[in-house]
Amino acid sequence: EVQLVESGGGLVQPGGSLRLSCAASGFTFSSYWMSWVRQAPGKGLEWVANIKQDGSEKYYVDSVKGRFTISRDNAKNSLYLQMNSLRAEDTAVYYCARSVRVVVTAILFHWYFDLWGRGTLVTVSS
Amino acid sequence: DIQMTQSPSSLSASVGDRVTITCRASQGISNYLAWYQQKPGKVPKLLIYAASTLQSGVPSRFSGSGSGTDFTLTISSLQPEDVATYYCQKYNSAPPIFTFGPGTKVDIK
Repeated sequence: EVQLVESGGGLVQPGGSLRLSCAASGFTFSSYWMSWVRQAPGKGLEWVANIKQDGSEKYYVDSVKGRFTISRDNAKNSLYLQMNSLRAEDTAVYYCARSVRVVVTAILFHWYFDLWGRGTLVTVSS
Repeated sequence: DIQMTQSPSSLSASVGDRVTITCRASQGISNYLAWYQQKPGKVPKLLIYAASTLQSGVPSRFSGSGSGTDFTLTISSLQPEDVATYYCQKYNSAPPIFTFGPGTKVDIK
């Protein structure tokens, strides 16, 4: 079955750290960009970070730059998000998502997220 | 930074109604826009990318249009299973940076 399963969420104090994992199965994980997307309770979606197939490119939303690090292990079919210096506003369900790139020309691409995990809840509170 | 807005923030319509949701970018983004549906308690689902390309398996009552700054998602005949929040998402061709709109909640009247 094609699926993504997140783990590692929980309750952490402000300033603390947490490492999220996403286990992929049923598809060739190493062929895809991967992303993390979060959703605060009762709020909308926010893209957090993504990573190229070989890990050579990584991009982040401004609000997490310098605090969060995305990584992957293709041998283990796994995606990670190391979250440091956590703040109350980082409280959210964190989803991993498979990112598909559609080639229009050699330099123009469309993107979409076609497979999502069920998410893991991170709560930052004292 | 390019900001995304959606209108209305919520709507209530009858089964069979034509429903239109608008997404606006603060600057032109060509057709680098996707639409997602999130049903209550569920994970988001891709509906449309490249502003108007319907994802495989998505019912044909969903359609997208627009380019530049103004985009629309249309449900031609609203069904009970379409109750959800709909998000537009702009993306860069490169590097791949993404911004979601605030969402539009659709209910049945």
